[in-house]
Amino acid sequence: AQSVSQHNHHVILSEAASLELGCNYSYGGTVNLFWYVQYPGQHLQLLLKYFSGDPLVKGIKGFEAEFIKSKFSFNLRKPSVQWSDTAEYFCAVNANGNQFYFGTGTSLTVIP
Amino acid sequence: SQTIHQWPATLVQPVGSPLSLECTVEGTSNPNLYWYRQAAGRGLQLLFYSVGIGQISSEVPQNLSASRPQDRQFILSSKKLLLSDSGFYLCAWTQPRTGHRIGELFFGEGSRLTVL
Repeated sequence: AQSVSQHNHHVILSEAASLELGCNYSYGGTVNLFWYVQYPGQHLQLLLKYFSGDPLVKGIKGFEAEFIKSKFSFNLRKPSVQWSDTAEYFCAVNANGNQFYFGTGTSLTVIP
Repeated sequence: SQTIHQWPATLVQPVGSPLSLECTVEGTSNPNLYWYRQAAGRGLQLLFYSVGIGQISSEVPQNLSASRPQDRQFILSSKKLLLSDSGFYLCAWTQPRTGHRIGELFFGEGSRLTVL
């Protein structure tokens, strides 16, 4: 089974700071990559996804992620975070099958 | 539009009692269906997935089982609950794979299970 690693377990930032959350996966073949977000009290929702093509993917709310195949990474970025970005963020991988594997999540707290 | 519902939202059960969590999807046909368990600091653990009626794949050995009696219905069960079964259970669906692409996962609201 593939594994997905999110090394930042808890991140605390001030508003307007830049954000980068790391995600690494272990599968060497063709992958589909996702970032999901879970706002407090809400269900998981898709932030962005990568299937193929341009490795820089833009998602909702100003988020983007870059797929670096040589590093098996799909890091999430946002140039300037807002208080409303406080949430838990999950990286997920799907590779050559029907399974989706998730990382352990990163809890982001943005201080006004 | 497609919707996914799971119930009950909250459940408190004694050790050794049976469990049944139900999930239904509306507005689509032949979806892939998934059960995940979410635990703090441990992310989402894939428990079961199904690509069709009666087809269940188990990811980890455990005290739980899953069934898909109808195309858009997915049930998570246990005959005898353990304390370690406590957690937050999520049902999800996606459109089946086309080539390398698979659709995004859509999640239900979740079911909080407490085993006492």
